[in-house]
Amino acid sequence: KNEVEQSPQNLTAQEGEFITINCSYSVGISALHWLQQHPGGGIVSLFMLSSGKKKHGRLIATINIQEKHSSLHITASHPRDSAVYICAGGMDSNYQLIWGAGTKLIIKP
Amino acid sequence: DTAVSQTPKYLVTQMGNDKSIKCEQNLGHDTMYWYKQDSKKFLKIMFSYNNKELIINETVPNRFSPKSPDKAHLNLHINSLELGDSAVYFCASSRRPGSPYNSPLHFGNGTRLTVT
Repeated sequence: KNEVEQSPQNLTAQEGEFITINCSYSVGISALHWLQQHPGGGIVSLFMLSSGKKKHGRLIATINIQEKHSSLHITASHPRDSAVYICAGGMDSNYQLIWGAGTKLIIKP
Repeated sequence: DTAVSQTPKYLVTQMGNDKSIKCEQNLGHDTMYWYKQDSKKFLKIMFSYNNKELIINETVPNRFSPKSPDKAHLNLHINSLELGDSAVYFCASSRRPGSPYNSPLHFGNGTRLTVT
């Protein structure tokens, strides 16, 4: 069992729908990263958060440290949001990130 | 201007050859990383350098050797390439103190290596 679990693995939705991707972790982390990998392969860091909530445009990330859970929400989804979304937990003890397997999101027009 | 640039974007080569992938960042970051993304899309850390000093050296074959001539560059040299080395390799960087848990990662666009 991976220490960082994402769900769902795959998600297909219609344009305009509200999207939620979940990330649960079983280890102690000090920060949770959300990244986006475009179909062309490039990886972009979306959020890094250790508590509460962050918002950037139509993207919202939340984290509950006690429940060891984070969510990434996309409001008014658009086909250009189609990508793989990856969460990763950063550990205090070393320089490493523990990566989730990613969620492949497809938004249909 | 590209923040983290790696070259080449595609690399097709035969088994047994030696090849290098170059990475440069202009963000002023002190820490740079090499990741390997396998066919299942997992990102796996290979190496990390902070101010030219190796700080993470995961269990990768000795055929892989990172070189950091300065803190803006981290190159990856691979000797005696094997079929299993085929993957996408990503370079990344982050700022001080070099711990990825408190600094966003900036990725290059990846190098798709195909070994035939």
